[in-house]
Amino acid sequence: IQLTQSPSSLSASVGDRVTITCRASQGISSSLAWYQQKPGKAPELLIYTASTLQSGVPSRFSGSGSGTDFTLTISSLQPEDFATYYCQQLNSYSPLTFGGGTKVEIK
Amino acid sequence: QVTLRESGPALVKPTQTLTLTCTFSGFSLTTTGMCVSWIRQPPGKALEWLGIIDWDDEKDYSTSLKTRLTISKDTSKNQVVLTMTNMDPVDTATYYCARIRFYQLTTRGYHNYYGMDVWGQGTPVTVSS
Repeated sequence: IQLTQSPSSLSASVGDRVTITCRASQGISSSLAWYQQKPGKAPELLIYTASTLQSGVPSRFSGSGSGTDFTLTISSLQPEDFATYYCQQLNSYSPLTFGGGTKVEIK
Repeated sequence: QVTLRESGPALVKPTQTLTLTCTFSGFSLTTTGMCVSWIRQPPGKALEWLGIIDWDDEKDYSTSLKTRLTISKDTSKNQVVLTMTNMDPVDTATYYCARIRFYQLTTRGYHNYYGMDVWGQGTPVTVSS
């Protein structure tokens, strides 16, 4: 199963609403997670099972989708949210592949 | 508190075998549902999933790398070991281990997992002669 993220990068301002899309080449039900990675750091889990917020993650992050199309939304972008975001499929039918990443930069 | 830490050589020569150890605490790999996965990230590139080992000693590997990878565990030491044979400069990357939990067996016998909720800090590996 291939995961295609779009866009690969975006520029946004503090306070903007940001949406990142992840499309799976086959249906994966809700077996999808989202991660945030800052430069030089390990990724951090934001969302699992497509829409469940990981403990400690701010509520401005949300996930939705099922089947092949998924979105990560940041409702009001904060300075600490500038990072790269990855989706990952989590069903063992296929290797647990990651998407190509979306870099969120300051406008 | 759950922690993981990767250790191993920072530099390996082409054709050599890489051995990395993930030492963890705060959970047990004998507990049903607990798994450890390996991931790598070449400089400036995306994350790449390498493989997983679970509480029942079941393993799964990246399709493109499975002939070169072996993952094993030592539950008495709380360690998971990754070996990768025939290293090449394109294998230069930061290697991470992470905890991942199984939560559901599908009707077709596949595993569904929660996300990788705790990661090690990563260990950089350079392949060069």
